[in-house]
Amino acid sequence: DQQVKQNSPSLSVQEGRISILNCDYTNSMFDYFLWYKKYPAEGPTFLISISSIKDKNEDGRFTVFLNKSAKHLSLHIVPSQPGDSAVYFCAASIDQGAQKLVFGQGTRLTINP
Amino acid sequence: GAGVSQSPSNKVTEKGKDVELRCDPISGHTALYWYRQSLGQGLEFLIYFQGNSAPDKSGLPSDRFSAERTGGSVSTLTIQRTQQEDSAVYLCASSPGTSITRQYFGPGTRLTVT
Repeated sequence: DQQVKQNSPSLSVQEGRISILNCDYTNSMFDYFLWYKKYPAEGPTFLISISSIKDKNEDGRFTVFLNKSAKHLSLHIVPSQPGDSAVYFCAASIDQGAQKLVFGQGTRLTINP
Repeated sequence: GAGVSQSPSNKVTEKGKDVELRCDPISGHTALYWYRQSLGQGLEFLIYFQGNSAPDKSGLPSDRFSAERTGGSVSTLTIQRTQQEDSAVYLCASSPGTSITRQYFGPGTRLTVT
């Protein structure tokens, strides 16, 4: 039962363009969402998060959008840079104080020069 | 070091053997988590420790899996009688409190069961 789904295993984007990574979830109890970034041979690192009371959160080149009615969130990276090439995981929890994160399968983003 | 460390980085073992994976969290972090990532899958929650409270073991896939955390610091994940389906990257994370927004991950241990 995959409660958090990233249906695109990979994405290739040209440097300078916008990268859009998508994530869908099925559990309507999820209240808090996070994106993590993972380089090879390293652990995931926190990137950006959003609470369900918001529909957008922006941090520099990274913006996360949340559509609660569609149970869908997306991560926008603009402009994309070669250093953004990594695997991106979305994750969800019942609330910010909850202790379990449910992760998607990840999307491998490749930024082409 | 300042980050979460895990050892070994790679482990190859024969089916049926026991393995121990170690995690050193960031000093002062009270919460510690174990996840695993099987091929093509997302990170799967295994177990969570918070301070001196009883651990949340709800994610452990079978009774062959166990974990302990000694002195509120180092943690060991033990897999008994390993099976091929246990092959995965095992990730440890720690956080300074009860908020999940700042889980800091180690580099993981890649376990291969032959």
